[in-house]
Amino acid sequence: EAGVVQSPRYKIIEKKQPVAFWCNPISGHNTLYWYLQNLGQGPELLIRYENEEAVDDSQLPKDRFSAERLKGVDSTLKIQPAELGDSAVYLCASSSEGRVDTGELFFGEGSRLTVL
Amino acid sequence: SQQGEEDPQALSIQEGENATMNCSYKTSINNLQWYRQNSGRGLVHLILIRSNEREKHSGRLRVTLDTSKKSSSLLITASRAADTASYFCALMGEYGNKLVFGAGTILRVKS
Repeated sequence: EAGVVQSPRYKIIEKKQPVAFWCNPISGHNTLYWYLQNLGQGPELLIRYENEEAVDDSQLPKDRFSAERLKGVDSTLKIQPAELGDSAVYLCASSSEGRVDTGELFFGEGSRLTVL
Repeated sequence: SQQGEEDPQALSIQEGENATMNCSYKTSINNLQWYRQNSGRGLVHLILIRSNEREKHSGRLRVTLDTSKKSSSLLITASRAADTASYFCALMGEYGNKLVFGAGTILRVKS
C-alpha cells in the first residue's frame, strides 16, 4: 500500500511570493490533515478535511493561507504571500473513516519551506 | 491547553540501555498516542493507549497511562542506534475530534 505522498519535498522562495504544496493521501482514507511543524516543535493542526469538507480550519491563518480538497482525494495548501515566519515543514496526514475517533494518523514526509 | 508536555526534552543513552520518556497533560482524553520522527522525515505511529487502559506493549515498546495523574510513559527496552529519533506524545480529546501533539523528546542512542 502506497503511503501519503507530498510534493515538493523542499521549496525555497523569496518573501511575498506564493507557494503551493500538494498531498495525495492513502487510498480510501477519507480524513486528511495539514499540519505545520516549526523546528524543534511538534506538529500543529492547520486544517482537517472529512472528504471534501473542511471540518476544522480554526488554526488556519485565512488571510494568507488557503486549502482545498477537490473530489475528496488530493489536497493543496497554498500560501500567498509568504512571510519569513512561514519557514517550516508542512506535513500532510490521512486516516481512514474507521479510525477517526482513535486518531491514528499516517504522515507524509513533509514539505520543507524556506522563505528568504 | 490540551497539549501534552514531554519530559525530558532530550535523552542520550548507550545502545542496549532502556529509554523512558514521559508525557503529562491537563485535560480529559479519549486516548493518548506516541509517534516517532526520524530527522527530516514524517511521523510514524507507534502505539495508542485508550483512557480505560493502563498498559500496552508492542515489541520493545511499553506504554503506561495513569489518568489519575494525567501522565503517560513510553519505555523502549534494549535500545538500538536506529531508535535515535524524536518521540512525540499526542492527545485525542475526550470527544475524539482533535489530535494535539507535544513538543517531543529527542532520543539519541550511541553505539
